[in-house]
Amino acid sequence: DVKVTQSSRYLVKRTGEKVFLECVQDMDHENMFWYRQDPGLGLRLIYFSYDVKMKEKGDIPEGYSVSREKKERFSLILESASTNQTSMYLCASNSGSKNIQYFGAGTRLSVL
Amino acid sequence: QKEVEQNSGPLSVPEGAIASLNCTYSDRGSQSFFWYRQYSGKSPELIMFIYSNGDKEDGRFTAQLNKASQYVSLLIRDSQPSDSATYLCAVVSNFGNEKLTFGTGTRLTIIP
Repeated sequence: DVKVTQSSRYLVKRTGEKVFLECVQDMDHENMFWYRQDPGLGLRLIYFSYDVKMKEKGDIPEGYSVSREKKERFSLILESASTNQTSMYLCASNSGSKNIQYFGAGTRLSVL
Repeated sequence: QKEVEQNSGPLSVPEGAIASLNCTYSDRGSQSFFWYRQYSGKSPELIMFIYSNGDKEDGRFTAQLNKASQYVSLLIRDSQPSDSATYLCAVVSNFGNEKLTFGTGTRLTIIP
């Protein structure tokens, strides 16, 4: 079974803090994705990566950056957290052959 | 116009009946179509994917695709209370593009 693991289920941070969300997949997938999910807005793509050290902006990259130093790990960074970044963050990966994305359990981030 | 549209619901269906969930998409070049189920507070899990016009059946689930009408649906036969969840439709625009575009989801409630 594909396993996508997110480091935290719940996080509470203060405005202005630097926040790291970590995601690890164990299936040697080339592609990894970060989404945020908000009520009424659905899943929105923040960034994705199709190879180590490669990244592409998604639909809402502002206020976020990413890092992919190893194939299995994809990190989302909030350089200076703001209250409007309170959300559910979901990591996903796929192998590209069928575009089937597998999701981690999600991190519910609250920025106070 | 949203790229992927779903009726947000809630859709209420009696236990044992057929639940019908619908999704339309705007990009005529779309090639791959997915249905994810998401329980409250959980991450999305893949139920079905379909690439070709017609029906695809898997147990109690049937996905239907009509590319001419830009329409994809999910039928759930013999609905169970455990089917109560939000169902997300997702579309990939063209082969080689790894990005999924999600609808905002339809909330389904199965009434015992």
